[in-house]
Amino acid sequence: QVQLVESGGGVVQPGRSLRLSCAASGFTFSSYGMHWVRQAPGKGLEWVAVISYDGSNKYYADSVKGRFTISRDNSKNTLYLQMNSLRAEDTAVYYCAKDGLNYYDSSGYYYPNYFDYWGQGTLVTVSS
Amino acid sequence: SYVLTQPPSVSVAPGQTARITCGGNNIGSKSVHWYQQKPGQAPVLVVYDDSDRPSGIPERFSGSNSGNTATLTISRVEAGDEADYYCQVWDSSSDHQVFGGGTKLTVL
Repeated sequence: QVQLVESGGGVVQPGRSLRLSCAASGFTFSSYGMHWVRQAPGKGLEWVAVISYDGSNKYYADSVKGRFTISRDNSKNTLYLQMNSLRAEDTAVYYCAKDGLNYYDSSGYYYPNYFDYWGQGTLVTVSS
Repeated sequence: SYVLTQPPSVSVAPGQTARITCGGNNIGSKSVHWYQQKPGQAPVLVVYDDSDRPSGIPERFSGSNSGNTATLTISRVEAGDEADYYCQVWDSSSDHQVFGGGTKLTVL
């Protein structure tokens, strides 16, 4: 069965960095796009970033663009999120999620879809 | 950027039908996906591509999408359906995934 296990969360001071990991199993990791989604305490879901199956396409939410970097190692079945210049408003549970399709339109545009499997999340707290 | 609007809360008695709406400009032209999230748990996909159900999701869950409104319908509501529900689309004009603000379903 599909399993996604996040790690790397913790308490970090504002302005510092943190790297999250997501270990995947139970499916062909190298065939699917992967996402990071976060949820601040008591708030709704906020999409963070997506990376295509081969890492060639990456899209980011405006709130993290330029500070966060999504990457993947298909040889290790692992997804990463490098978070730099962290702010208090980045405090959240971070989920990794598998994309349900691997879809490119006729022009070659990578078209992310729905999140069919989610990890249990890892909590990141940014506080001095 | 594209905005999805959901009612903050919906209440329904057991056995009745709950309808949760998701409004967006010409949302009928997009594929809408729905998630259920119970307290302390990760979200679960309950409807994708407007009206399809993943395996293991009861037939009581259905979806529709037309014009400026998508709707998640839960028939014969049970106490176990009490949760937060989120709609989601991909906005190709901004290359962003977009979530609605979420709707808390209360079973009376």
